[in-house]
Amino acid sequence: QLQLRESGPRLVKPSETLSLTCTVSGASISNNNFYWGWIRQPPGKGLEWIGNIYYTGDTYYNPSLKSRVTISVDTSKNQFSLKLSSVTAADTAVYYCTRRAGCGGDCYRFDYWGQGTLVTVSS
Amino acid sequence: SYELTQPPSVSVSPGQTARITCSGDALPKQYVYWYQQKPGQAPVLVIYKDSERPSGIPERFSGSSSGTTVTLTISGVQAEDEAEYYCQSTDSSDTYVFGTGTKVTVL
Repeated sequence: QLQLRESGPRLVKPSETLSLTCTVSGASISNNNFYWGWIRQPPGKGLEWIGNIYYTGDTYYNPSLKSRVTISVDTSKNQFSLKLSSVTAADTAVYYCTRRAGCGGDCYRFDYWGQGTLVTVSS
Repeated sequence: SYELTQPPSVSVSPGQTARITCSGDALPKQYVYWYQQKPGQAPVLVIYKDSERPSGIPERFSGSSSGTTVTLTISGVQAEDEAEYYCQSTDSSDTYVFGTGTKVTVL
């Protein structure tokens, strides 16, 4: 059974860099059918897509966050990571790691999600 | 930026039908996906490609589309269906966008 698990600091100071890692178990991250990525949800608010990465390192990001986001992959550890720089209180959110799977043609679904981890930006 | 609009809330009695709409200009050209999120849990995919149901999702969940509006229908609502529901699609620049969310309350 595929599982995704987020890990990283739960508290980050303003202007610093938020760093999270997602460990994938039950499947290889190098499977060429999937992209891996991050989605976040501020407390009491909706979902926001951050970006995705392919096992080759190919990435694409939400334009609204692109200048601050880096997603990377480590196939040897079956992990991928998120870095978000220059954080403010507005970046306080539950961060989910996800798998994006193709489902025919232009169909792409987020079919597996981690449990999520709350990261708070505060001094 | 591209937006998907949902009603904030829908209330329904057990056994009745709940309909949740999602509106967006690009919806005639892009597939829509629906996620169910219960408090403190990660979202779960309940509909993909407008109307397809993943394995393990009850048949009472169905999706349909008409022009710029798509609809998630829950037939014979059960207490366990009380949750927040989000639609999701893609804009012209391959950016994934989520709807504003609809809280379904089972009376």
